[in-house]
Amino acid sequence: GESVGLHLPTLSVQEGDNSIINCAYSNSASDYFIWYKQESGKGPQFIIDIRSNMDKRQGQRVTVLLNKTVKHLSLQIAATQPGDSAVYFCAENVSFKAAGNKLTFGGGTRVLVKP
Amino acid sequence: GAVVSQHPSWVICKSGTSVKIECRSLDFQATTMFWYRQFPKQSLMLMATSNEGSKATYEQGVEKDKFLINHASLTLSTLTVTSAHPEDSSFYICSANRYGGYNEQFFGPGTRLTVL
Repeated sequence: GESVGLHLPTLSVQEGDNSIINCAYSNSASDYFIWYKQESGKGPQFIIDIRSNMDKRQGQRVTVLLNKTVKHLSLQIAATQPGDSAVYFCAENVSFKAAGNKLTFGGGTRVLVKP
Repeated sequence: GAVVSQHPSWVICKSGTSVKIECRSLDFQATTMFWYRQFPKQSLMLMATSNEGSKATYEQGVEKDKFLINHASLTLSTLTVTSAHPEDSSFYICSANRYGGYNEQFFGPGTRLTVL
């Protein structure tokens, strides 16, 4: 999806709870999806990726789910910690194997972890 | 591995001056580098894609004469904001594809440009 508006949706989470961040992507031809974490004043940091031939992938405390039928992507963070407070972006790409293809970023979600 | 640096990390300049931002891949060769602009509370918007030794491809609405991109080597791309104005104030971020790799983009830390 493309970024719209000036206000990032915010997810407030109690420390220790699980977080779920959602993303609707726009291009049915996309075959590679990435979640990035961006802290204030820094560049995006890779969290986890998934290719279109999978519907679930797990990393350390994070899980990405892909539903190609409805073009939906989600990021689950287990046992959310204060250090998880940041803005999270999904990104889509039409060809994982072909370097040089541009990413399209979603609008972002701000996660605030309450102690 | 796959570290991308940007210089400077922040810059303040007067309206009408030009500013150059460098993007370097420190431990890998980059076939393609990308330049993004990010306004406060917004997502990253791709400005242009550059390949070593060839002209950059600009996204629709991005003025190529204002945002000059030079990708002189497999480890360095530069973005020059010419005749900068206050509306050019933004966070500029570059990323790079690894030569011979898949389409993973490794991001730099960003450059904060403030035009007075």
